[in-house]
Amino acid sequence: KNEVEQSPQNLTAQEGEFITINCSYSVGISALHWLQQHPGGGIVSLFMLSSGKKKHGRLIATINIQEKHSSLHITASHPRDSAVYICAVRAGGTSYGKLTFGQGTILTVHP
Amino acid sequence: EAQVTQNPRYLITVTGKKLTVTCSQNMNHEYMSWYRQDPGLGLRQIYYSMNVEVTDKGDVPEGYKVSRKEKRNFPLILESPSPNQTSLYFCASSLQAGRQETQYFGPGTRLLVL
Repeated sequence: KNEVEQSPQNLTAQEGEFITINCSYSVGISALHWLQQHPGGGIVSLFMLSSGKKKHGRLIATINIQEKHSSLHITASHPRDSAVYICAVRAGGTSYGKLTFGQGTILTVHP
Repeated sequence: EAQVTQNPRYLITVTGKKLTVTCSQNMNHEYMSWYRQDPGLGLRQIYYSMNVEVTDKGDVPEGYKVSRKEKRNFPLILESPSPNQTSLYFCASSLQAGRQETQYFGPGTRLLVL
């Protein structure tokens, strides 16, 4: 079993729909990243969070440390949101430079 | 412009021929890291560096070397490349490796080892 599991692996939506991508992890962490990778390959960091909730525009990320779970929500989805969304966890303790990634969720938003 | 640069962006080489992929950042970041991305396996960390002269192994360090002699540069060295090192490589940096730091990624280097 992977240390970081994302669901779903593939997600198709119609423009305007509310989208949720989930990330579960099995190890102690110091923080969690959400990343976006467009078809061209470049990776952009969306959020880094260690507790609670963060919002940026139409994107909202939440984390529940006790349940070892995080969600990324996209409100009013748009075709330009089509990308791969990747969850990554930063190890706790003295290894906090170490990052472990989920497999990614491929999101396609149709007009 | 604040950025992480990688060179080369594309490289085709042959088994056993030593190569270096450079990574440089102009943001005075302490933390730098190398990742590889493969279909079906996702992103995996190769090595990371918390600061100058401090490096540590990630999940897949075999076959790679790194050095951090100065803060801005973090080259990835393949002493004797093999076909299983064919991959897409990303370098990234952040101010520190702490809890509130965003990572900035380079554009990626696509490597093919024949």
